[in-house]
Amino acid sequence: AQSVTQLGSHVSVSEGALVLLRCNYSSSVPPYLFWYVQYPNQGLQLLLKYTSAATLVKGINGFEAEFKKSETSFHLTKPSAHMSDAAEYFCAVSDPQAGTALIFGKGTTLSVSS
Amino acid sequence: DGGITQSPKYLFRKEGQNVTLSCEQNLNHDAMYWYRQDPGQGLRLIYYSQIVNDFQKGDIAEGYSVSREKKESFPLTVTSAQKNPTAFYLCASSKGRERPDGELFFGEGSRLTVL
Repeated sequence: AQSVTQLGSHVSVSEGALVLLRCNYSSSVPPYLFWYVQYPNQGLQLLLKYTSAATLVKGINGFEAEFKKSETSFHLTKPSAHMSDAAEYFCAVSDPQAGTALIFGKGTTLSVSS
Repeated sequence: DGGITQSPKYLFRKEGQNVTLSCEQNLNHDAMYWYRQDPGQGLRLIYYSQIVNDFQKGDIAEGYSVSREKKESFPLTVTSAQKNPTAFYLCASSKGRERPDGELFFGEGSRLTVL
């Protein structure tokens, strides 16, 4: 089965600093990869997705992620953090053994200080 | 507006009672899913359905049941057999096999607390 590992359950940055959230996946076949964001007591919102068209993927709110097959990674970055970026972020991978369901990582909580 | 509606948003139940969480979508999606979210554990797949009248168990199906009698509806019953039912439950939908690289769209969630 596929899986994702998010390194760091909690990341803290200052406003204006670089945001880097790490995600590594295990997959025996070329995967589809996703990043979602969740605000407290809400559902998940898609930030961006990789579906093999391009290795550098741009998403909403200034986020982007790069698919690196050699490193089995799909890290999420944003050049300059904003207070409104404080939330929980989830990396997810497709799993053919689960139909079209996604397998999610355990999440990384991003805190942004002024 | 198209989307996914989960109800109720908050639910309190006594131990030993069954409870049913509602999930309705008007996105005309074929596939629907139920996930459970616990602090520090991410989202874990309970059940999924690729098409009406068919569903499959996910990683943590024990103590849960579902039905898919209509395309737009995928209710989840948390039975008394579920050992630790207090959690945040998320329903999602997608285009399914028509678009295997498609993203999941999520509802706002239902928070179940068992007293």
